[in-house]
Amino acid sequence: TQLLEQSPQFLSIQEGENLTVYCNSSSVFSSLQWYRQEPGEGPVLLVTVVTGGEVKKLKRLTFQFGDARKDSSLHITAAQPGDTGLYLCAGDPYNTDKLIFGTGTRLQVFP
Amino acid sequence: EPEVTQTPSHQVTQMGQEVILRCVPISNHLYFYWYRQILGQKVEFLVSFYNNEISEKSEIFDDQFSVERPDGSNFTLKIRSTKLEDSAMYFCASRAQMTLTYNEQFFGPGTRLTVL
Repeated sequence: TQLLEQSPQFLSIQEGENLTVYCNSSSVFSSLQWYRQEPGEGPVLLVTVVTGGEVKKLKRLTFQFGDARKDSSLHITAAQPGDTGLYLCAGDPYNTDKLIFGTGTRLQVFP
Repeated sequence: EPEVTQTPSHQVTQMGQEVILRCVPISNHLYFYWYRQILGQKVEFLVSFYNNEISEKSEIFDDQFSVERPDGSNFTLKIRSTKLEDSAMYFCASRAQMTLTYNEQFFGPGTRLTVL
C-alpha cells in the first residue's frame, strides 16, 4: 500500500514567519502534485513536480521534489493570512492512473 | 478559466436510496475520475474513466457504484443503495491527454452526500 505522510499535521504561525511542510513516502512516484483545499471545497492544484531534485517557485511558495522521487517539501516565505488552508500533496504512482493523497497539513496564519 | 463543475453541492438521502452525482469535466479533457473524502480523512480514489470505460477502480468502488458518461459533457457517479458510511464529499476530477511524465488532475468543488 502506497502512503504519503505529511508533517506537521497542524501549523499555526504569525504573519511574516516562514514555514516548511513535508510530504514523505517509501514509494517512488512518477510526479507529485501539491494542492490547497478550503473548507467545503475541492482541492485546487498549485504545482506539479516531475524531475527528481526539481525546485519550482510560485511567488512566496517553493516546492521541491526529492532526488529519489519519494518525498517533497513546500516552503512558504513570509506567510500571510491568505495562505491559511489545508495543503495536500498527491503522488502519481507508476503504472496507475490514480493519485495517492497525503494526510494533509492544516495551516493557520494569524495577522 | 475552464473548471470542473459538480451538482448538486449538497445531497441528503435516506439509507437504501439511489443517488446520482453529476459532474461536467473541463471540455477538452479525456480522463475522468471520482474521489471521495470522508470528514476529517484523506482524499481517496474511487474510479477512473477513459474512452467510455472504467480504466481503474479501488476496493471502495464495489457493485453498488457505477459511472457513466451519458453525453459529451456529463460524467455521473451512481450509488444504487446508499449506506450510512457513504456519507462523504465526492469530488470529480478531469485530466487532459496524458503526457509521458505526469498526471495533472483538476478537481471540482465537490458534492457533500449525507446519508440518514
